[in-house]
Amino acid sequence: KAGVTQTPRYLIKTRGQQVTLSCSPISGHRSVSWYQQTPGQGLQFLFEYFSETQRNKGNFPGRFSGRQFSNSRSEMNVSTLELGDSALYLCASSGGLAGVYEQFFGPGTRLTVL
Amino acid sequence: AQTVTQSQPEMSVQEAETVTLSCTYDTSESDYYLFWYKQPPSRQMILVIRQEAYKQQNATENRFSVNFQKAAKSFSLKISDSQLGDAAMYFCAYRSPLTYNNNDMRFGAGTRLTVKP
Repeated sequence: KAGVTQTPRYLIKTRGQQVTLSCSPISGHRSVSWYQQTPGQGLQFLFEYFSETQRNKGNFPGRFSGRQFSNSRSEMNVSTLELGDSALYLCASSGGLAGVYEQFFGPGTRLTVL
Repeated sequence: AQTVTQSQPEMSVQEAETVTLSCTYDTSESDYYLFWYKQPPSRQMILVIRQEAYKQQNATENRFSVNFQKAAKSFSLKISDSQLGDAAMYFCAYRSPLTYNNNDMRFGAGTRLTVKP
């Protein structure tokens, strides 16, 4: 069974630009969560989608948004990029036979904002 | 809000020895789920072990076991017969039941484990 995939793996953008990251969950998983990981702040929750609906939201500005499609694939968008948005963005999916609580992570997208 | 604390930023262990990583959490909930994740240098987060709060028996997965003390809100990870491949950042995580609001996964700051040959 294929794991969680994220594209692209690496991204370099400049301040003010916007970026879209993609996540494909494990087949059969309906929940997708997004996290931002930085050396200073650690792992911070962005949002969770379940069946195309945002179920949970972390404490991030409105520049961070996401959506989920009917096939459970998810995208997150960051508009008007700032230097502080440089981070590893992790996507995790849950559901299926393993249970709905444990999350399985993708390899992450490393975003660098110049 | 639920918080997770890992008080050991770094730990080291000799290959084949045993090491215990500490984790405490703060919650007023009686039902929840606890996890240990491993993040090696590749940055891929890997689930190591999970524990349901309603279970009294400590979870075990091969060389990995936990000591879950619900009253003390403590959830430590013991790695036996440490191997070089165990070197990684280890994160303790807490999750409320799905029926609760704000049941996102809460992570500790992590403990970096070094394994010495």
